[in-house]
Amino acid sequence: DQQVKQNSPSLSVQEGRISILNCDYTNSMFDYFLWYKKYPAEGPTFLISISSIKDKNEDGRFTVFLNKSAKHLSLHIVPSQPGDSAVYFCAASATGGGNKLTFGTGTQLKVEL
Amino acid sequence: NAGVTQTPKFRILKIGQSMTLQCAQDMNHNYMYWYRQDPGMGLKLIYYSVGAGITDKGEVPNGYNVSRSTTEDFPLRLELAAPSQTSVYFCASLRNTEAFFGQGTRLTVV
Repeated sequence: DQQVKQNSPSLSVQEGRISILNCDYTNSMFDYFLWYKKYPAEGPTFLISISSIKDKNEDGRFTVFLNKSAKHLSLHIVPSQPGDSAVYFCAASATGGGNKLTFGTGTQLKVEL
Repeated sequence: NAGVTQTPKFRILKIGQSMTLQCAQDMNHNYMYWYRQDPGMGLKLIYYSVGAGITDKGEVPNGYNVSRSTTEDFPLRLELAAPSQTSVYFCASLRNTEAFFGQGTRLTVV
């Protein structure tokens, strides 16, 4: 039962263009969503988050959009840079759920020169 | 600032052996977690702790045990290693809703 889904295992984008990573969830109790970035042989690092009371959160080149009715969120990176090449995990948590994060399977982003 | 420290980074175990994966954090966080990541999969929660002396099972706890005697340390114990436990293990601690991860332990059971 995959409650958080990232249906694109990989994405290739040219440097300077926009990268859009998608995530869907099924559990309506989720009220906080996060994106993590992971380089090989390292632990995931926090990138950006959004509460269910918002539909957009922006931090520099990174913007997360949340569509609660569709149970869908997306991460936009613009402009994309070669250093953004990594695996991106979407994660979700529910208030009162022990702050446990449920992760998607990840999307490998490759930003090409 | 060390953050979350995991040891060892790599380990090869024989079937039936036991070992403890160590995790320590210096941020005084109450919540700590153990995840495993299998190839092509997301992170699956094994066990978590909301504070010293309190632990609870996650999504995939079978074959593992944990303890939390101090705020800083959250070791994960494998008693009888099986090939299905070959994975990369990540420990994390939580500040508000943001989790901080260690660098991971790559475990191979042969």
